[in-house]
Amino acid sequence: KQEVTQIPAALSVPEGENLVLNCSFTDSAIYNLQWFRQDPGKGLTSLLLIQSSQREQTSGRLNASLDKSSGRSTLYIAASQPGDSATYLCAVRSSNYQLIWGAGTKLIIKP
Amino acid sequence: EPEVTQTPSHQVTQMGQEVILRCVPISNHLYFYWYRQILGQKVEFLVSFYNNEISEKSEIFDDQFSVERPDGSNFTLKIRSTKLEDSAMYFCASSEQGTLGEQYFGPGTRLTVT
Repeated sequence: KQEVTQIPAALSVPEGENLVLNCSFTDSAIYNLQWFRQDPGKGLTSLLLIQSSQREQTSGRLNASLDKSSGRSTLYIAASQPGDSATYLCAVRSSNYQLIWGAGTKLIIKP
Repeated sequence: EPEVTQTPSHQVTQMGQEVILRCVPISNHLYFYWYRQILGQKVEFLVSFYNNEISEKSEIFDDQFSVERPDGSNFTLKIRSTKLEDSAMYFCASSEQGTLGEQYFGPGTRLTVT
């Protein structure tokens, strides 16, 4: 059964720093992996989708990598800003349709 | 930019009552999903729907739950007899493709069962 873990559970860094969020999964047989952002009491905003055949995807200051064989993905945020403060979730697709989710990393960027 | 919409944003109901949560997926998407997130817990998959039938469901999605696409735009989740433990945020999502498609989520409906 697929399990998704995100470490750390919370992270607080000063504005301007580059940072890395981690996601690991137990079963490497995945179709793809998505990173999401969730603001308090709000919905889920898709940030990046990486297919199993890809190694990384970039969108603006965000870069996500995927190492399927080791069951790991990282989300790199460059030059962090206070507006980046949110909970970041990763989710893997290991069956046809459903996403299996991590518990998220709560990120606080201090001005 | 096209987006998934959900109504209502917040629903309060009494235990044992039926509720219907509504979603309007992105118009050219063919695959639809419901997830839920109990406060402080992980997001959990409930069901996926394609070509007017359920394509996959989790063990959470028991006989108390049903989904329907009553017309060309709406996608609904019905909970027949709500329990206290059904209190959660319910998210609808849609994707253009199935297995490889990026899922886009609505803002959610907060369901409170009293």
